[in-house]
Amino acid sequence: GNSVTQMEGPVTLSEEAFLTINCTYTATGYPSLFWYVQYPGEGLQLLLKATKADDKGSNKGFEATYRKETTSFHLEKGSVQVSDSAVYFCALRRGGSYIPTFGRGTSLIVHP
Amino acid sequence: EADIYQTPRYLVIGTGKKITLECSQTMGHDKMYWYQQDPGMELHLIHYSYGVNSTEKGDLSSESTVSRIRTEHFPLTLESARPSHTSQYLCASSEYSFGSMNTEAFFGQGTRLTVV
Repeated sequence: GNSVTQMEGPVTLSEEAFLTINCTYTATGYPSLFWYVQYPGEGLQLLLKATKADDKGSNKGFEATYRKETTSFHLEKGSVQVSDSAVYFCALRRGGSYIPTFGRGTSLIVHP
Repeated sequence: EADIYQTPRYLVIGTGKKITLECSQTMGHDKMYWYQQDPGMELHLIHYSYGVNSTEKGDLSSESTVSRIRTEHFPLTLESARPSHTSQYLCASSEYSFGSMNTEAFFGQGTRLTVV
């Protein structure tokens, strides 16, 4: 079946540090891949997405590249801010299935 | 900005009460979902719907029930609330068509339920 594995958190960084949150997936075919962000007390918001191999999704300084050969979709940001503190979810949706599959979420804490 | 709304945002209620969590979307999406989010932040799918008059149970067993009488509305009901039902409940919707680039789910802000 489909599954998403994320690195465990919390990830604790100082402001302006480089961020990587690892995400790998298991799925047949060519799923669409997503990163969602959840700020405290809120629902999930789509951060970025990629729908085919080698696509790069980007938004708000975050980037992730769809790597079919390593079945990965790692989230990166060159310089994090305190306002980036949130929980980040990697997700996939396999073609032919409309139900998204989510990872367990990774909490990011950024200190001034 | 997503057009999916959940009410109430916060609810504190006594054991044994019947409650309904509301979820509405104005995007015309056929597919809707309810997730329960545990304190460790993991999301558990508890119900989903293909469209009007279609509902299915998700991966996590839940004592709640849902209905889908209108496309835009997907309420979740607990007939008799218990402290074990205390959690964050998230509603979501998505469009699905083969080959569509619009494949993401849109989430409401959630309802934080506390049963005392």
